Amino acid sequence: RKEVEQDPGPFNVPEGATVAFNCTYSNSASQSFFWYRQDCRKEPKLLMSVYSSGNEDGRFTAQLNRASQYISLLIRDSKLSDSATYLCVLKRGFKTIFGAGTRLFVKA
Amino acid sequence: EAGVAQSPRYKIIEKRQSVAFWCNPISGHATLYWYQQILGQGPKLLIQFQNNGVVDDSQLPKDRFSAERLKGVDSTLKIQPAKLEDSAVYLCASSLEGTGETQYFGPGTRLLVL
Repeated sequence: RKEVEQDPGPFNVPEGATVAFNCTYSNSASQSFFWYRQDCRKEPKLLMSVYSSGNEDGRFTAQLNRASQYISLLIRDSKLSDSATYLCVLKRGFKTIFGAGTRLFVKA
Repeated sequence: EAGVAQSPRYKIIEKRQSVAFWCNPISGHATLYWYQQILGQGPKLLIQFQNNGVVDDSQLPKDRFSAERLKGVDSTLKIQPAKLEDSAVYLCASSLEGTGETQYFGPGTRLLVL
């Protein structure tokens, strides 16, 4: 079993839609959690950190559920520019583990 | 502020040849990471340096891959000899320290082994 599991998608949604991704992790000792965004043929970039209390950045909301060992990303009012792969990332000490990513396509 | 620099951007070699990649991290960043990203997968950490010391190289195939960061700044990653399955994007990233904070990625080197 992989340490970080994501639904690969693709998720095909119309502009303006709300879409949610989940990411599950197997090691309860994982300490820090992040969502990175990766555009086609580009490098990953940090989208947001994920906290137990939840955090919001504009149209993006991230949540951590330690009891069930998953993190989530909610995107409201999807834009064409949100089309990308969303990578779930966790850190445990010095170790960094990336999920395989969830592909999102937003269509007009 | 200058970002993470990598070269070359693209490389095509034949199997059993050698190849080297170079990375210059963001100034002042103590931690440097090398990742391998195979098409359709997430980045896999190969090696992590804290200044010029290795923090984690548990997933580095040491029979063919080597990396160094001699002066705690630039780093090189070498593959010798290359195999077909080494075809991937090699990403370098840096961060201020090693735990918890943002990693900044370079544009990557796309390697094709024929």
